[in-house]
Amino acid sequence: GEDVEQSLFLSVREGDSSVINCTYTDSSSTYLYWYKQEPGAGLQLLTYIFSNMDMKQDQRLTVLLNKKDKHLSLRIADTQTGDSAIYFCAVLFSGGYNKLIFGAGTRLAVHP
Amino acid sequence: DAGVTQSPTHLIKTRGQQVTLRCSPKSGHDTVSWYQQALGQGPQFIFQYYEEEERQRGNFPDRFSGHQFPNYSSELNVNALLLGDSALYLCASSPGLAGGGETQYFGPGTRLLVL
Repeated sequence: GEDVEQSLFLSVREGDSSVINCTYTDSSSTYLYWYKQEPGAGLQLLTYIFSNMDMKQDQRLTVLLNKKDKHLSLRIADTQTGDSAIYFCAVLFSGGYNKLIFGAGTRLAVHP
Repeated sequence: DAGVTQSPTHLIKTRGQQVTLRCSPKSGHDTVSWYQQALGQGPQFIFQYYEEEERQRGNFPDRFSGHQFPNYSSELNVNALLLGDSALYLCASSPGLAGGGETQYFGPGTRLLVL
């Protein structure tokens, strides 16, 4: 079945780069997403990448996709304390319509 | 643009009761999906509505049901509540197939506590 896995926790120093990794099993996924969730809030769409792309850059965010290894990463440049949150990787399930499969989330802690 | 809205924000119920959660999609979106997010976990897909019909369903029992109205808003109903139904319930909307709508935008969620 479909599965998405992420490491659970990442701690970085303010100003450094953060890299959050994700692996998935559905090789036919067409869209892959990164969402951010702050405490007590819903999910905020950060960025997404289409499966025929290797990289997408959006301001401080860089998404890298390795389809062969089914590996997705999100790099946040110049990480700030406001970036502290839980980051979810999600893939669009190819078996039908717009069903998203989420990882368990990576908690990013940014310290001074 | 108001984005996706959900009501209520918080809800406390007791076991065996029934609950209805509401969602209004983003303007221009005709597809609504519901997800359950248990504490410390990623969201799990419940079902999706398009053209007032349930189009796809995840691994949730029949106690979970829904409805979509002609204005595209949606309700999630849960009957015979169990303690394990305590979670954040998220609604997401997307433009649908006609709008090339693969990307889902989420509301703030309804936090349900079952005692």
